[in-house]
Amino acid sequence: DAKTTQPPSMDCAEGRAANLPCNHSTISGNEYVYWYRQIHSQGPQYIIHGLKNNETNEMASLIITEDRKSSTLILPHATLRDTAVYYCIVRANSGYSTLTFGKGTMLLVSP
Amino acid sequence: GAVVSQHPSRVICKSGTSVKIECRSLDFQATTMFWYRQFPKQSLMLMATSNEGSKATYEQGVEKDKFLINHASLTLSTLTVTSAHPEDSSFYICSAPGQGKNTEAFFGQGTRLTVV
Repeated sequence: DAKTTQPPSMDCAEGRAANLPCNHSTISGNEYVYWYRQIHSQGPQYIIHGLKNNETNEMASLIITEDRKSSTLILPHATLRDTAVYYCIVRANSGYSTLTFGKGTMLLVSP
Repeated sequence: GAVVSQHPSRVICKSGTSVKIECRSLDFQATTMFWYRQFPKQSLMLMATSNEGSKATYEQGVEKDKFLINHASLTLSTLTVTSAHPEDSSFYICSAPGQGKNTEAFFGQGTRLTVV
């Protein structure tokens, strides 16, 4: 899996949009960008994934740059429950492809 | 979405004893499951890939005789930490691959193991 770079921590006020960046400059053509989050002492939770087009679901939006070397996860209205470590991972689009977790971004949502 | 259930959620055991952790896929069949370990303030590290009906594949540096993996059915994989030591204290997490068009992985709730 290609490596990703994320800021170690970010703060966000409750109700505001949280924009979490990720650099993946060595991503290959068949690799997707996946986002997971891990709330303290729980297993990771899938958020969203995409190849090159922007994606949106009930949890978040994913914006991928045209050159695919970076992406941004957007939580449109962050709540206190969104406080977690967010992991950006690039991998082939196969359920059997393993996930290589980096250090992620610790997002702290404050009142 | 698919559900992966992991049991127990936390366990305390004495040094030298063995602990078994179960990982079940509740509403789907999983021929493959992944086991991860996470030490405090660190990221998840893949330990091994569990394959139904065959031997598990271990990552470099993971002792297969210490971390016994059994994938006896399409819905159950177990990880047994044998002769546990305090340094084995960690958060163990299992995961099952997505099925068909669902390529995201589904994770269990994790097991907090404390060896005293």
